Amino acid sequence: GAGVSQSPRYKVTKRGQDVALRCDPISGHVSLYWYRQALGQGPEFLTYFNYEAQQDKSGLPNDRFSAERPEGSISTLTIQRTEQRDSAMYRCASSGRGHGETQYFGPGTRLLVL
Amino acid sequence: AQSVTQLDSHVSVSEGTPVLLRCNYSSSYSPSLFWYVQHPNKGLQLLLKYTSAATLVKGINGFEAEFKKSETSFHLTKPSAHMSDAAEYFCVVSVNSGGYQKVTFGIGTKLQVIP
Repeated sequence: GAGVSQSPRYKVTKRGQDVALRCDPISGHVSLYWYRQALGQGPEFLTYFNYEAQQDKSGLPNDRFSAERPEGSISTLTIQRTEQRDSAMYRCASSGRGHGETQYFGPGTRLLVL
Repeated sequence: AQSVTQLDSHVSVSEGTPVLLRCNYSSSYSPSLFWYVQHPNKGLQLLLKYTSAATLVKGINGFEAEFKKSETSFHLTKPSAHMSDAAEYFCVVSVNSGGYQKVTFGIGTKLQVIP
């Protein structure tokens, strides 16, 4: 079936605007992860869901960042009052729930805050 | 707590020579370990994974890795580098504790293959 999809693929916004990034996981995948990847760095964990429950949000950098997955499928990562330092690639991954399940990554959303 | 250390940020090899990308981890629980590859302007692709079965794991494109618990290592190897192997490689540790997953990426190793 289809892989993980993310939209938009590219987003340019002005500082102070809110943005919403969408992730559509592989059908049936219980777990969904959000990562942020700055240029030249590895993916940095942001938050993680099992079904609709947000299990871990310890990686969210501050309270401008939030995420939801209300029906246990599609997830939205929202950044309020964007700042230039928020510019990065935002990646979503989904997996089954078992031990050692492989994460399948989407293509990412590249966010540029001017 | 868990962590991943990729010992080399850049590795350069000649085409046809062996590749060794080093990864050490620490974990309070039995980990699953992964290697992902990222080609320029592409997404992350799984190369291979270890999940407490055979300690020598074979992946795609001729790569393999050996889990060594005594050394807390999961180094990635390939006998003969190909130009198409030039990419960035990430070592990942994942711990499942009571259905709760904790995933940590290493900082990545950029592999350069010289013709």
